[in-house]
Amino acid sequence: EDQVTQSPEALRLQEGESSSLNCSYTVSGLRGLFWYRQDPGKGPEFLFTLYSAGEEKEKERLKATLTKKESFLHITAPKPEDSATYLCAVRDYGGATNKLIFGTGTLLAVQP
Amino acid sequence: NAGVMQNPRHLVRRRGQEARLRCSPMKGHSHVYWYRQLPEEGLKFMVYLQKENIIDESGMPKERFSAEFPKEGPSILRIQQVVRGDSAAYFCASSPGTDRSNEQFFGPGTRLTVL
Repeated sequence: EDQVTQSPEALRLQEGESSSLNCSYTVSGLRGLFWYRQDPGKGPEFLFTLYSAGEEKEKERLKATLTKKESFLHITAPKPEDSATYLCAVRDYGGATNKLIFGTGTLLAVQP
Repeated sequence: NAGVMQNPRHLVRRRGQEARLRCSPMKGHSHVYWYRQLPEEGLKFMVYLQKENIIDESGMPKERFSAEFPKEGPSILRIQQVVRGDSAAYFCASSPGTDRSNEQFFGPGTRLTVL
């Protein structure tokens, strides 16, 4: 059964203090790993898709990387506005479905 | 360039009533997905639809829940005879339908409260 585990559950950083969030996954065949950002009371906002081990993508202070078993979301010199819940999800090769399996997220708080 | 639209944003129902949640996908998107987010839990897949077809409903409870995506108009998630355990945020997502770039874009959600 597909599983996605995110760690830590919560992370508190000082402004400018870089760190990484982890997403470990188990799928029969990966057809995409997705990172989303979710602010309180809002829907998830798409950040990145990674398809194969070794792939990296960047957007402003965020960089996502992928290995065969996990993905990291690196946050460089974060600002208070980066505070949010970061969600990881996978899609596997199971049939015709495009459903995403989500982890429970990492709640990031960046203090000024 | 409107994103995924959902309405209502907030819905209050009493036990036993029906709830109807609507979702209009992004322009050009023909695939719609419904997810449910319970307090302190992650997003859980419910159903995947294309126009006039249900592709995967493996995450949807067998009773009281139904979904449709008609040829014209929004996708509807219908919950009959709501119970308190149905209280949650329901999110709709859409994608363009091609395989490689099949990122799902989410709407703002409908927060259902069952009294």
